[in-house]
Amino acid sequence: QQPVQSPQAVILREGEDAVINCSSSKALYSVHWYRQKHGEAPVFLMILLKGGEQKGHEKISASFNEKKQQSSLYLTASQLSYSGTYFCGTVRLGGSQGNLIFGKGTKLSVKP
Amino acid sequence: SQTIHQWPATLVQPVGSPLSLECTVEGTSNPNLYWYRQAAGRGLQLLFYSVGIGQISSEVPQNLSASRPQDRQFILSSKKLLLSDSGFYLCAFRTSGPRAGELFFGEGSRLTVL
Repeated sequence: QQPVQSPQAVILREGEDAVINCSSSKALYSVHWYRQKHGEAPVFLMILLKGGEQKGHEKISASFNEKKQQSSLYLTASQLSYSGTYFCGTVRLGGSQGNLIFGKGTKLSVKP
Repeated sequence: SQTIHQWPATLVQPVGSPLSLECTVEGTSNPNLYWYRQAAGRGLQLLFYSVGIGQISSEVPQNLSASRPQDRQFILSSKKLLLSDSGFYLCAFRTSGPRAGELFFGEGSRLTVL
């Protein structure tokens, strides 16, 4: 049931772009994206609902393909502050109480 | 405003000892509450969730238990810790209103079992 994220890790230079993918084997109601800095709690970035998408944060956007049960997070012109581990969380159609099941995360490192 | 607090922030416990982690939420009523555990290489694993006082559901079998004695209080416990219980424990609640669905996480409790 756990969504699969790729890549596991990515290293960027400031100003470069990156894409993080999230895929599920189950039909999804929504996809959430969170970022976690080392030693801190995850912070909400955005949620994408079935039938639409929501851009939530600076130069970070995302898409949600319901048919393919996939979501992608796009980081444009990366900044040092973008470093951290990104998690996608999925809510299954008909799932228990709309609980979020998270992927293993993608570690993003932005270098000067 | 809605806030969430959990404690202790850090603890080191011997194998076989008991555990109690507490979490409280302020600024909202009847929230959905969650306990997640983060271990190396496994991401965020959902352990328990609660939709109301005394209502606890477990997502994975383990030697941990959870309780919700009050509307905005969530407790994670163990009678006897195992080495495999080490990890970063996160309490979270779900918001209501225009951004319904967003999870707010507490600061986390880092548990080391020796």
